[in-house]
Amino acid sequence: GAGVSQSPSNKVTEKGKDVELRCDPISGHTALYWYRQSLGQGLEFLIYFQGNSAPDKSGLPSDRFSAERTGGSVSTLTIQRTQQEDSAVYLCATALGGPGDTQYFGPGTRLTVL
Amino acid sequence: GESVGLHLPTLSVQEGDNSIINCAYSNSASDYFIWYKQESGKGPQFIIDIRSNMDKRQGQRVTVLLNKTVKHLSLQIAATQPGDSAVYFCAENIPTKGGKLIFGQGTELSVKP
Repeated sequence: GAGVSQSPSNKVTEKGKDVELRCDPISGHTALYWYRQSLGQGLEFLIYFQGNSAPDKSGLPSDRFSAERTGGSVSTLTIQRTQQEDSAVYLCATALGGPGDTQYFGPGTRLTVL
Repeated sequence: GESVGLHLPTLSVQEGDNSIINCAYSNSASDYFIWYKQESGKGPQFIIDIRSNMDKRQGQRVTVLLNKTVKHLSLQIAATQPGDSAVYFCAENIPTKGGKLIFGQGTELSVKP
């Protein structure tokens, strides 16, 4: 596709379960970012991948959150032992190069933890 | 109980009028600024950007003004249309921090027909 895609679009889970969220970047984009959008916090940065470099994990809120990017393409954000405060929209954005390039967002995954 | 949400500033305009959305940013080192539009249930959509070596940039029906002295950014939308109704976010990009975006709280624009 032409844009960033994310799956699933909606995910409802029970507290304590693990979830995986997927992001498919725009072809050729080397930079990939995850953000979280929640009612109380607005849009906040989680993690950043640039090529084969070690990711910048400085925005991850706890060690229950992790992400990987396989082959410099698809990325998966994993949340272990989900809590109700994890409920939010998780957004992926990609950019052609790195810092200073325009980031294009996917539609997001709405996560609801019951 | 009901959770307290982020209170967004709102702007209501009549169709055909011009809209001005304002944003203050925090970091003097920021050198790249972007405006995004977010419609309900969708991800943020790029509208227009501006680098710190400029103070004005125009697109189709949109203009962004940058005042680095007071760290202020504005988005002007000409001849606002109902399809412009959305939440608008400004974001600052700090290249020394990997290009991660720092978002403002957003402004909800409502266009009355």
